[in-house]
Order: sequence, then C-alpha cells, then structure tokens
Amino acid sequence: NAGVTQTPKFQVLKTGQSMTLQCAQDMNHEYMSWYRQDPGMGLRLIHYSVGAGITDQGEVPNGYNVSRSTTEDFPLRLLSAAPSQTSVYFCASRPTGESSYEQYFGPGTRLTVT
Amino acid sequence: GNSVTQMEGPVTLSEEAFLTINCTYTATGYPSLFWYVQYPGEGLQLLLKATKADDKGSNKGFEATYRKETTSFHLEKGSVQVSDSAVYFCALVKQGGKLIFGQGTELSVKP
Repeated sequence: NAGVTQTPKFQVLKTGQSMTLQCAQDMNHEYMSWYRQDPGMGLRLIHYSVGAGITDQGEVPNGYNVSRSTTEDFPLRLLSAAPSQTSVYFCASRPTGESSYEQYFGPGTRLTVT
Repeated sequence: GNSVTQMEGPVTLSEEAFLTINCTYTATGYPSLFWYVQYPGEGLQLLLKATKADDKGSNKGFEATYRKETTSFHLEKGSVQVSDSAVYFCALVKQGGKLIFGQGTELSVKP
C-alpha cells in the first residue's frame, strides 16, 4: 500500500493563478479531508468528505473547492490564489465506522503564493 | 466549542532528559484523544491514543493518560533521544470524526 499520496510536493503560484492539489489513497477509506498547517495555529480543517459524491466545509473553506468523484481521489482546488493561502497542505483519510477515528496523513504540499 | 491547548514551544532538552508536553482540552461528553508526531519534512503520524477516561496510551516510550477530571492528556517520556526531535500535536475527536488539533509543540533534543 502506498497509503495517502499528495502531489506536488512544492508549488509556487502568483496571485490570481489557479491550481489543483492532488490527493489519493489506496486503503479504500471513505473519509478524506484537507488541512492547512500554519505556524502557531496547528492544523485547520478546510474541507472533508464522508464518501464519493459527498463533501462538506470545515473550519476555513473560503477560497477552496473540492469534489469527490471516486473513493480514491480528493483534489483540492484553489480558484484564485492569494498570499494568505501560503501554507503547507495535508490530506488525510480514515475508514468510517472506526471508533478510534485514527487518520492517516499524506506527506504534504508546500504552497507559496507571491 | 471544542478546543485543544498545548504548551508553547520550542522545548529544548538534552538527550536522556525527562519530557512533559502539556495538553488540555475543552469538549462536552467523552472525546477520543490523540498525540500525533511530525518529523521534519514529513506528514503527521499517530503516536498514541486513548478513547476513554483513565486510559493510558503508549508507544515508542511515550505515554499519556486520559484525565477526565482535569481535562488533560499530557505527553511524557522518561528519556528522550535526538531522534525524538519533532513537532508534537495533541488532538481530540468527537462523534462525526473531525479532528481538532492543538497548535503544536516543537521539541529539539540536543546530544
């Protein structure tokens, strides 16, 4: 199993550009989520999905879109990048129905918006 | 609402020193509690967990006990190593499965 994979590892964007961060998992997990990590703020939930075709907003959804057409993939789209979106982005997954709720994280994408 | 508060870092220790990283939480009911670790340049990994009051989670020499009466889940290790240098996150989850993280505590262990 590759676990949770994310591409790219690093990305530099100019203000106003759009891009998609890719996330895939091969563990057949129903639940997937996106977080951003900023210094001194821990990880904050952007969007999450409890299964294919179902997505919902987290704590900081503005400026980001998601879709979930398959169980395996959960891309995160930045529609018009802003410097405030400079951050490290983590995708995570877990099976539903697990009482322990342990999540598995990808290696992250470091995004810089200039 | 639900929240997690950790002691501020960075924490700098010498090898073989005793480690405590404080974590307290605010939540109704009985959340599950976690410690995640992030090594430099990597994603987060689950270090240990506890799902009910008085449970003790342990892994790799680290321990944390779920204290309902003090709403705490402090992380401890008796003798740290240089390889333990990382950022440690305390987190809780309630029904529905959304993780809520503390702000993270950076640990640096010097030889």
